[in-house]
Amino acid sequence: GAGVSQSPSNKVTEKGKDVELRCDPISGHTALYWYRQSLGQGLEFLIYFQGNSAPDKSGLPSDRFSAERTGGSVSTLTIQRTQQEDSAVYLCASSLTVGGRPYEQYFGPGTRLTVT
Amino acid sequence: DAKTTQPTSMDCAEGRAANLPCNHSTISGNEYVYWYRQIHSQGPQYIIHGLKNNETNEMASLIITEDRKSSTLILPHATLRDTAVYYCIVRVVGNYQLIWGAGTKLIIKP
Repeated sequence: GAGVSQSPSNKVTEKGKDVELRCDPISGHTALYWYRQSLGQGLEFLIYFQGNSAPDKSGLPSDRFSAERTGGSVSTLTIQRTQQEDSAVYLCASSLTVGGRPYEQYFGPGTRLTVT
Repeated sequence: DAKTTQPTSMDCAEGRAANLPCNHSTISGNEYVYWYRQIHSQGPQYIIHGLKNNETNEMASLIITEDRKSSTLILPHATLRDTAVYYCIVRVVGNYQLIWGAGTKLIIKP
């Protein structure tokens, strides 16, 4: 079946512009995650959505970052007034939830963001 | 969640078994060991997880020591396509946050 998809695959933007990154999770997965990965580093947690519950935004690095998930499916990560330090690969993952507990995460290919 | 320690890099000959170690000496009783890998320019891929018994699936085997302070991921017949960064993570099932270290860069050589 279809996996997690993300768009665009690459985004180059000028400092100060806003960007939107999209994630389509696996159908039926109620949990959705956003991570950021800088070059040569492990993944940094950004935000977690679970069904209709309030999202866990504890990993968002500043108020320039926001995310929403419409209809419990597609999610959009928005970065306002981009800075050069925002350059990274942004990864989305989704997972099943059984008995309220999320299970193994399946990742999309990521969006490589470059801020010039 | 407990912290893990992995070697920075390892080499393995194609066709041989690749054994990737992971130390998790502060693991607690309700924490599982998870392994993911990330092939260059792709998102991470789930491999396997276990609690205390050894586990095997179509991709790999996971050997966990009796005291649970360390584990080894085994790729039985490594191929060039297994070249990737391998991440060992321990977490409580149901705790959705995965704490990622730098992983082990495994290079399979022909």
